[in-house]
Amino acid sequence: QVQLVQSGSELKEPGASVKVSCKTSGYTFSSYTVNWVRQAPGQGPEWMGWINTNTGIPTYVQGFTGRYVFSLDTSVRTAYLQISSLKTEDTAVYYCARDTYGGRSMLDPWGQGTLVTVSS
Amino acid sequence: QSALTQPPSVSGSPGQSVTISCTGTSSDVGSYNRVSWYQQPPGTAPKLIIYEVSNRPSGVPDRFSGSKSGNAASLTISGLQAEDEADYYCSSYTTSSTYVFGTGTKVAVL
Repeated sequence: QVQLVQSGSELKEPGASVKVSCKTSGYTFSSYTVNWVRQAPGQGPEWMGWINTNTGIPTYVQGFTGRYVFSLDTSVRTAYLQISSLKTEDTAVYYCARDTYGGRSMLDPWGQGTLVTVSS
Repeated sequence: QSALTQPPSVSGSPGQSVTISCTGTSSDVGSYNRVSWYQQPPGTAPKLIIYEVSNRPSGVPDRFSGSKSGNAASLTISGLQAEDEADYYCSSYTTSSTYVFGTGTKVAVL
C-alpha cells in the first residue's frame, strides 16, 4: 500500500539545523508531488510548499523561504526537509504528504509526522 | 493568505448530524472546486476524507459528505459515531497556486 514514513523526533538547540526525511513506497514516485506541512502545538496545519518529483524543483510559500530547503533522493524515493538557523518558534510537527500534480488539493496519504523541538 | 474560517467546535449525540462550515474568499474557495476536508484524531496525522468539494476517497464512510456554495464550503457528518471525535480541517487551492487550511473545528460526540 501507499506509505510515507518519516524520520524520528528531533531535539535541537537554537541556531542548529535539522533534516527530516520522508521515505515513500507503494506508488510511482514521479507521478505525484511531495508536500510539506507544519503544525505548531495546538494550531492547525500550515502548508509550506511542495517539490516536483520529476524535476526536483521546489516551491515555497511565503513565510517559508530562506531557511527552508526541500530536496529529493530519487534513488531511494525519499524527500527531505532541511531547516537551518532554528528558532524556538520552529517547534512543531512537520508532515510530508503526497499530492497529485495540478493542485487538486488531495493531500493523501500523510506521513506520521516528525516532532522538531527547538530549545536551549 | 489568511486561513479559512471554521467554527471552533461543534457537538452532537450519537446518530445525529452535524455540519461544519468553512468560509473563504473569491481567491480560494470561491474560485475552484478544489476544497478538501481532513480528519485528525488526537495525536495522529491528518487523513483526507473529502476532496474536490464532495468526493470521498475509497474507504471513507458515506456518512461524510461535502458541498460548496459561493465562497463557503461545508462538511456534514450524518449518523454521528463516537469514532468521529476529532479535529476537522478544510483546505482550498488558491489563485496564488498555493493551498490554505482552515482554522479547524473540534467535533465532540456527547
